[in-house]
Amino acid sequence: GAVVSQHPSWVICKSGTSVKIECRSLDFQATTMFWYRQFPKQSLMLMATSNEGSKATYEQGVEKDKFLINHASLTLSTLTVTSAHPEDSSFYICSARDFREPKNIQYFGAGTRLSVL
Amino acid sequence: QKEVEQDPGPLSVPEGAIVSLNCTYSNSAFQYFMWYRQYSRKGPELLMYTYSSGNKEDGRFTAQVDKSSKYISLFIRDSQPSDSATYLCAMNTGFQKLVFGTGTRLLVSP
Repeated sequence: GAVVSQHPSWVICKSGTSVKIECRSLDFQATTMFWYRQFPKQSLMLMATSNEGSKATYEQGVEKDKFLINHASLTLSTLTVTSAHPEDSSFYICSARDFREPKNIQYFGAGTRLSVL
Repeated sequence: QKEVEQDPGPLSVPEGAIVSLNCTYSNSAFQYFMWYRQYSRKGPELLMYTYSSGNKEDGRFTAQVDKSSKYISLFIRDSQPSDSATYLCAMNTGFQKLVFGTGTRLLVSP
């Protein structure tokens, strides 16, 4: 299957700072990438859908000014958590669609654990 | 009522057992069904992908879809301790976002 790389795997930051998470498709072009958030022992919650070259589509209740998404190329999408606060501490996971495969298959990155002090 | 229901477990079995994991759903328009395996603090890994009803086998894994009952299953034969993980079912109608179950935590003891 296709490989999605996510970096960093773990980040600790002070309250009020911004954190950027990168998601890369390594061996395929991803016209669409997704960002999820996962709380302990809970399922994935879709935050936004990112299409290359256009603005991201955010799910209801997700603050677009808080969670900035950029999908500038066919292999890279970034999520920036701006002015992070302790309640933003969570596990963030990206996924990508391989345009060569059925459009509903998503390949996931390894996730980023964000801890805001 | 959630669109996709999945027992959170944990499901504990001895090594070598046959494991049955299940999801039920309410949206009859769902046609694409997936099973993902997620180890602790890792991203989900795609295990099986099925379109419409029927069975699909891949090694020790078999996925079953019964659209008439809105019920999908994942069977794991000869389970191993390394199979201990959370198993997530996911589905959608086609181009829409995936809808995930809550995941079932599986524990396989040596």
